[in-house]
Amino acid sequence: SQQGEEDPQALSIQEGENATMNCSYKTSINNLQWYRQNSGRGLVHLILIRSNEREKHSGRLRVTLDTSKKSSSLLITASRAADTASYFCATDRSYSGAGSYQLTFGKGTKLSVIP
Amino acid sequence: DAGITQSPRYKITETGRQVTLMCHQTWSHSYMFWYRQDLGHGLRLIYYSAAADITDKGEVPDGYVVSRSKTENFPLTLESATRSQTSVYFCASITAGSSYNEQFFGPGTRLTVL
Repeated sequence: SQQGEEDPQALSIQEGENATMNCSYKTSINNLQWYRQNSGRGLVHLILIRSNEREKHSGRLRVTLDTSKKSSSLLITASRAADTASYFCATDRSYSGAGSYQLTFGKGTKLSVIP
Repeated sequence: DAGITQSPRYKITETGRQVTLMCHQTWSHSYMFWYRQDLGHGLRLIYYSAAADITDKGEVPDGYVVSRSKTENFPLTLESATRSQTSVYFCASITAGSSYNEQFFGPGTRLTVL
């Protein structure tokens, strides 16, 4: 079953606006990651936030994590047409062992940035 | 070239045929993964491998077989392809001991089963 669920499923904004995507998950995690997928390509890692962190920044990306609500948000500021892609959150489980590197991905948010 | 590659990139086959999708990585990462991506489902883990000769099932393993005789290769075989296995397949890898847990993905193989 899916661990992460993104919201909204699709988002269309004008270039220069901010884009916010949300992710909810069900079980305790070690960390939460966001990935980006351009059409027809593989996923590319964007940013990771650990369970003991509340906010993290990387360039125009800002990620927040609320473990009490089991939710995360990804904010892309000053969006560009090149940000058009699908964005996925991924969580791991807070247990050790051979499977601890497994990630569970959400269904993704499809972002369209209109020039 | 360094990185993670998949072959073929596109494959059309018929129901009942055996198909093998290849994945090769040059980083000597210990962990490798196979996912399938379908509309409405996101990415789902098929199989993963912690090291050569160590494999385990993921969320949707039925109808698939994997092997890992060498660290750098992780082939995925559909023993008797079905239409429901039409999907985009992604291979990924990560190094053991990584506290960062970032997975590196291949470009994907688009498989169509007629």
